[in-house]
Amino acid sequence: DSGVTQTPKHLITATGQRVTLRCSPRSGDLSVYWYQQSLDQGLQFLIQYYNGEERAKGNILERFSAQQFPDLHSELNLSSLELGDSALYFCASSVGRDGGYTFGSGTRLTVV
Amino acid sequence: GESVGLHLPTLSVQEGDNSIINCAYSNSASDYFIWYKQESGKGPQFIIDIRSNMDKRQGQRVTVLLNKTVKHLSLQIAATQPGDSAVYFCAENIGSGGYQKVTFGTGTKLQVIP
Repeated sequence: DSGVTQTPKHLITATGQRVTLRCSPRSGDLSVYWYQQSLDQGLQFLIQYYNGEERAKGNILERFSAQQFPDLHSELNLSSLELGDSALYFCASSVGRDGGYTFGSGTRLTVV
Repeated sequence: GESVGLHLPTLSVQEGDNSIINCAYSNSASDYFIWYKQESGKGPQFIIDIRSNMDKRQGQRVTVLLNKTVKHLSLQIAATQPGDSAVYFCAENIGSGGYQKVTFGTGTKLQVIP
């Protein structure tokens, strides 16, 4: 157990639907990062939050949004889902940069 | 733009041999580098890191080498074991705290042949 909790582990939904992925960072970590990993692909950075504020944006589609709540957990909202959105979505947290990120086990999203 | 890439997408090694996984980075401002290991069905896991003021760092069976002149990073795994089979990512880091920016490479798949 890395200390970063992601739910749900698996999600199957239809095109056009909306889903919410949840992440609880490791205790004490203020930064939360969301990454998308498609089949046999690398990690694509989506968005970062630090202590409740958006800090950086990567290749995140307009159909996607996220937020970090006062208790530091974060949610990634994916709407108007397309087949191509099927991927693993990872959340990672960090307190600083030493030691890198701690990743959760991911949410596998399948859009059918 | 900034990019981090790997020379070899797949590497097959015999059990017991040493493995070397390479990574090129393009941003000379990057000052902190990390190697991650991702096993099938799991999230990436921190292996070892190195700061830009160093050129070598050793861990347990792993060594990271940094050559800033040619912007090259490598991960050496000694006496490779079947449990080392995974995808390995390098990452370059700029900044710190809430302002750090991390860019991941595309990954190299290491296959250990028993």
